[in-house]
Amino acid sequence: ILNVEQSPQSLHVQEGDSTNFTCSFPSSNFYALHWYRWETAKSPEALFVMTLNGDEKKKGRISATLNTKEGYSYLYIKGSQPEDSATYLCAPEDGTASKLTFGTGTRLQVTL
Amino acid sequence: DSGVTQTPKHLITATGQRVTLRCSPRSGDLSVYWYQQSLDQGLQFLIQYYNGEERAKGNILERFSAQQFPDLHSELNLSSLELGDSALYFCASSAHGSYIQYFGAGTRLSVL
Repeated sequence: ILNVEQSPQSLHVQEGDSTNFTCSFPSSNFYALHWYRWETAKSPEALFVMTLNGDEKKKGRISATLNTKEGYSYLYIKGSQPEDSATYLCAPEDGTASKLTFGTGTRLQVTL
Repeated sequence: DSGVTQTPKHLITATGQRVTLRCSPRSGDLSVYWYQQSLDQGLQFLIQYYNGEERAKGNILERFSAQQFPDLHSELNLSSLELGDSALYFCASSAHGSYIQYFGAGTRLSVL
């Protein structure tokens, strides 16, 4: 069972602020790292999947980096908007099976 | 809309009963995954099927079982239900060779 930690647990920022979250995971037997966005009353939606050390992915104002050697990934949101309010989940995928182990997420709230 | 359909949306039942949750994956997706989300816990991987065969198993109780049928839809059977089985159950699907999992809207199970 992978030990996945996400920090902070929750975050409250104002519109226009930039923010970042951390996902820590065991670096051994790494296969891929997934980031999901989960809005209240909806289903989790895939943001990024990263596989290579040093990978950087970007989708609009959201970007992510990956360090597989030390076992962490950062998710950045530039110029947060109220519609970014959601829980952001990371999930490493290990090399022995295609199952994801989800962290408990970072709950982001963006206010005007 | 992710293209993954789960039925029913809500289910209320009593302890000791048995229920079946149904999932239809996105058209063409061969893999189906089941997850459980209980209060104060992250998404817990239960089981994965690929083209009718069990592919990976997570923290799935012996009282729970799943299968994937020739038309690729999947069912999760939960028996001898306990209060602690009350949770949101998600199904996700992915295409062959793709890392990305697409989640359904979930089935909320309440065991009274």
